[in-house]
Amino acid sequence: DTGVSQNPRHKITKRGQNVTFRCDPISEHNRLYWYRQTLGQGPEFLTYFQNEAQLEKSRLLSDRFSAERPKGSFSTLEIQRTEQGDSAMYLCASSPGGGLAKNIQYFGAGTRLSVL
Amino acid sequence: SQQGEEDPQALSIQEGENATMNCSYKTSINNLQWYRQNSGRGLVHLILIRSNEREKHSGRLRVTLDTSKKSSSLLITASRAADTASYFCATDGNDYKLSFGAGTTVTVRA
Repeated sequence: DTGVSQNPRHKITKRGQNVTFRCDPISEHNRLYWYRQTLGQGPEFLTYFQNEAQLEKSRLLSDRFSAERPKGSFSTLEIQRTEQGDSAMYLCASSPGGGLAKNIQYFGAGTRLSVL
Repeated sequence: SQQGEEDPQALSIQEGENATMNCSYKTSINNLQWYRQNSGRGLVHLILIRSNEREKHSGRLRVTLDTSKKSSSLLITASRAADTASYFCATDGNDYKLSFGAGTTVTVRA
């Protein structure tokens, strides 16, 4: 399967712990996006990369959140000192850098975070 | 914050009927896209309509766009049980990031 892969699928953690999520995009896609989705809402943009460069971060991404994409391949999203309000589905998406499909994003199945 | 709003929030129809949902947005756009999300899963792209287009078809899907009213509609014809899902409109500007609405939950009854 050459789709977007996210791990883990589910994460339960205690408040104050750090968590890290991984996203493997479609291999030829140079853009990678992170979104957060809470129950009953649409996804909200967090940050995106073009290759290894992080080009934009949302105001939603507090200083407890950090994302990396070393070597422009997989990406990690880390949340430090988790809070109950961080409980959400974290979605990763990728898109090609050009061509007719450049605006279409391909999503992974998401990582559901529950902070107790 | 969410860029747009979908209407209705929820829709329940009989198999074989048509489903129509609307999306309104706030700022100028390059494209408007519709995505489907099955419960607890990621989103799947359905269709993209560019800002200079007014209508687009893909299989049983028909999308309209009215940039003067900043609104779009998605019509699913001859619905099937497999169409049960949440549907989101998303707009993109020059920076490629997507701004989603809150979605319409569609239930197709057998």
